[in-house]
Amino acid sequence: DQQVKQNSPSLSVQEGRISILNCDYTNSMFDYFLWYKKYPAEGPTFLISISSIKDKNEDGRFTVFLNKSAKHLSLHIVPSQPGDSAVYFCAADGGATNKLIFGTGTLLAVQP
Amino acid sequence: EADIYQTPRYLVIGTGKKITLECSQTMGHDKMYWYQQDPGMELHLIHYSYGVNSTEKGDLSSESTVSRIRTEHFPLTLESARPSHTSQYLCASSERGHQETQYFGPGTRLLVL
Repeated sequence: DQQVKQNSPSLSVQEGRISILNCDYTNSMFDYFLWYKKYPAEGPTFLISISSIKDKNEDGRFTVFLNKSAKHLSLHIVPSQPGDSAVYFCAADGGATNKLIFGTGTLLAVQP
Repeated sequence: EADIYQTPRYLVIGTGKKITLECSQTMGHDKMYWYQQDPGMELHLIHYSYGVNSTEKGDLSSESTVSRIRTEHFPLTLESARPSHTSQYLCASSERGHQETQYFGPGTRLLVL
């Protein structure tokens, strides 16, 4: 049973517009969430994270929103750029063990 | 950003061979991890370590083994490779503590014929 779900396998956005990637989780014990960007033949690159004590964290073009009551988080990229095209993984920290549970990823394509 | 290295980047090998995937980090991180990922799927934790001489199995059962003799080095070994081991193997490390970000190496893409 997947504890972290990314229900959109792919997303296509025009350059300059906003990209919104969504992630849902089931375990209310998760207290730290991360977004990674990944190209096919490379390792994931850390983008941004958020602790469960916050509802928003911003870093440049990237903003992550956390809705604990809905067990939902989203990553906003604005403005989107062609170089943002990649697979984006949502991950949740399971707590004391610091073991990450990953979603299946969303492939973002930013069209020039 | 952590400096974490994996070799080889790509490996094609025949069934039955013994292989070792190397992972090293220069950040002095106590925690290290191995994940396995197939295309279009999530990353699955197969091994982790909280420090020297500490190793644990992850959530996904794996026939591989690991060792942690030095802080900076966390190799993964397959005694007898099989086609079902074909996958991408990703190593990561993080600081000791709660809510620490894991930083990943570039990965090893393994193909077993």
